[in-house]
Amino acid sequence: GQNIDQPTEMTATEGAIVQINCTYQTSGFNGLFWYQQHAGEAPTFLSYNVLDGLEEKGRFSSFLSRSKGYSYLLLKELQMKDSASYLCAVRDQDYKLSFGAGTTVTVRA
Amino acid sequence: DGGITQSPKYLFRKEGQNVTLSCEQNLNHDAMYWYRQDPGQGLRLIYYSQIVNDFQKGDIAEGYSVSREKKESFPLTVTSAQKNPTAFYLCATGTAYEQYFGPGTRLTVT
Repeated sequence: GQNIDQPTEMTATEGAIVQINCTYQTSGFNGLFWYQQHAGEAPTFLSYNVLDGLEEKGRFSSFLSRSKGYSYLLLKELQMKDSASYLCAVRDQDYKLSFGAGTTVTVRA
Repeated sequence: DGGITQSPKYLFRKEGQNVTLSCEQNLNHDAMYWYRQDPGQGLRLIYYSQIVNDFQKGDIAEGYSVSREKKESFPLTVTSAQKNPTAFYLCATGTAYEQYFGPGTRLTVT
């Protein structure tokens, strides 16, 4: 099975940087995904990591360390619209994708 | 217009009735998934399918059934055996490098 942990809530100021950590334990790692979910809506795909290192996409970056079972999502130049829940998901060798409980990020002016 | 379609957006049923939720995709993705989300909680996997005519149980398959007769379609039936069926149901499709969600169906059973 898979055990995925991420903080429940984080608060940051507009224009700042926030780092959301995700630790996982899985049998047969086959990729890690990050999603953004606004209240009442479906999740939207942000990033995918399968090799160690940093993937950058505009204001969002995602890092993976397979040996440590660790990933983080970095949100830079925070905007009010970034207030949302951020979901970490891990895929195993059977292509089963399991999600953490999500981190609610609140951006304050 | 391409993507993942789930219909209807809102669905209301009486307790004891089976109900089927639709999920259609034209992205040519092999993998399809069904999740449910309860208020304030994460997504839990119900069923998933990697290929036509094959599917696997997820973490909470009891009270649900699926079929995968076509690559484009992966309908989910919520049976009367599901004890707490009221939830937000999300369908997803994907490849090796990405996975996308449909808009979801909010099911309310009273």
